[in-house]
Amino acid sequence: EAGVVQSPRYKIIEKKQPVAFWCNPISGHNTLYWYRQNLGQGPELLIRYENEEAVDDSQLPKDRFSAERLKGVDSTLKIQPAELGDSAVYLCASSARHSYNEQFFGPGTRLTVL
Amino acid sequence: SQKIEQNSEALNIQEGKTATLTCNYTNYSPAYLQWYRQDPGRGPVFLLLIRENEKEKRKERLKVTFDTTLKQSLFHITASQPADSATYLCALADSSASKIIFGSGTRLSIRP
Repeated sequence: EAGVVQSPRYKIIEKKQPVAFWCNPISGHNTLYWYRQNLGQGPELLIRYENEEAVDDSQLPKDRFSAERLKGVDSTLKIQPAELGDSAVYLCASSARHSYNEQFFGPGTRLTVL
Repeated sequence: SQKIEQNSEALNIQEGKTATLTCNYTNYSPAYLQWYRQDPGRGPVFLLLIRENEKEKRKERLKVTFDTTLKQSLFHITASQPADSATYLCALADSSASKIIFGSGTRLSIRP
């Protein structure tokens, strides 16, 4: 069974540029999460989807971040414009039903903003 | 505010010994607690889940305890091996899973 797929794995951009990350969760997983992980820190939840509905986006900086999950499968996280402080690893995870189930994480996208 | 604390210092132990990692939390009443392993350049991998009404959970060489009075979970790896070297993260969630919080992790090194 394929795991959670993320692309790109690495991205280097200049500040004020836009950037997008893509995630394909495990087939059949209704719940999808986007996390941000800074160096030496644990993942910080940005947004959680149940199917195509964003049920928790309280931690998403909505002035520059946006996300979508069309048809309740793949998801895209966008930053526009990027700032220096956005440099981090962006992790996507999915779970079968509710988050008390184990979460399966993708490898992450390492973003560097210059 | 809600806070999770894990051993901030890296833990270095001799192969074969038992590694014990700590996860403390404040201002939170989690319904369950999870432990994950994370290797450099990779996403976290789920290891164990323990619910608030469970005191202890075991899986092979792993053991997790959960003390809601002390607001603490302990994660044990018995007969540790160099391959167990990684960062270990604890994560808490309430019953509705509306709040999911990860600790900053503890880096464990097992020397041969």
